[in-house]
Amino acid sequence: GENVEQHPSTLSVQEGDSAVIKCTYSDSASNYFPWYKQELGKRPQLIIDIRSNVGEKKDQRIAVTLNKTAKHFSLHITETQPEDSAVYFCAASKGGSYIPTFGRGTSLIVHP
Amino acid sequence: NAGVMQNPRHLVRRRGQEARLRCSPMKGHSHVYWYRQLPEEGLKFMVYLQKENIIDESGMPKERFSAEFPKEGPSILRIQQVVRGDSAAYFCASSPGLAGAETQYFGPGTRLLVL
Repeated sequence: GENVEQHPSTLSVQEGDSAVIKCTYSDSASNYFPWYKQELGKRPQLIIDIRSNVGEKKDQRIAVTLNKTAKHFSLHITETQPEDSAVYFCAASKGGSYIPTFGRGTSLIVHP
Repeated sequence: NAGVMQNPRHLVRRRGQEARLRCSPMKGHSHVYWYRQLPEEGLKFMVYLQKENIIDESGMPKERFSAEFPKEGPSILRIQQVVRGDSAAYFCASSPGLAGAETQYFGPGTRLLVL
């Protein structure tokens, strides 16, 4: 089955810095890669996603890149703000059931 | 806002009791997924259902756990004879289940505490 590795487990940055979270996946058939943000005690919320026919996608301060050959994808957050502090999960899934396999999460702490 | 709804939000049970968790998908969504999340861990897939059908239950423990999604009403995750190790947050998510519309939207979760 699919295996998703996510690094780092904890990331601490100063407000205004950039943050990068990286994930690798094992199943070359995976073709859909969502990223979720989960604040303490809250539900996971989709922040951005990318499909395998695209190499990069941006949405304001957030971007995701995908390297299908290397089987890794990354989340980039620029100009971080304290409200970006949360746990971020990457996931990989493929057509059919679209059951995602999640990474273990990255706890992002943005210091004012 | 017709988002994914779950109830109860918090549930306390003593060992040996039954826990019933309910999930109402977003309007127009016919696919429901259940996940379990332990503290400081990721989301672990349990079961994938469509109306009246279990599509994939490969993540569900073989004993004590069952799920259904009836023609009418919410999806239900049932845990019989709960043990302390069942304490976790249980999230459901829904999607339209169509190619190009595979994004899952999560409910607020049910936090189960087994005493």
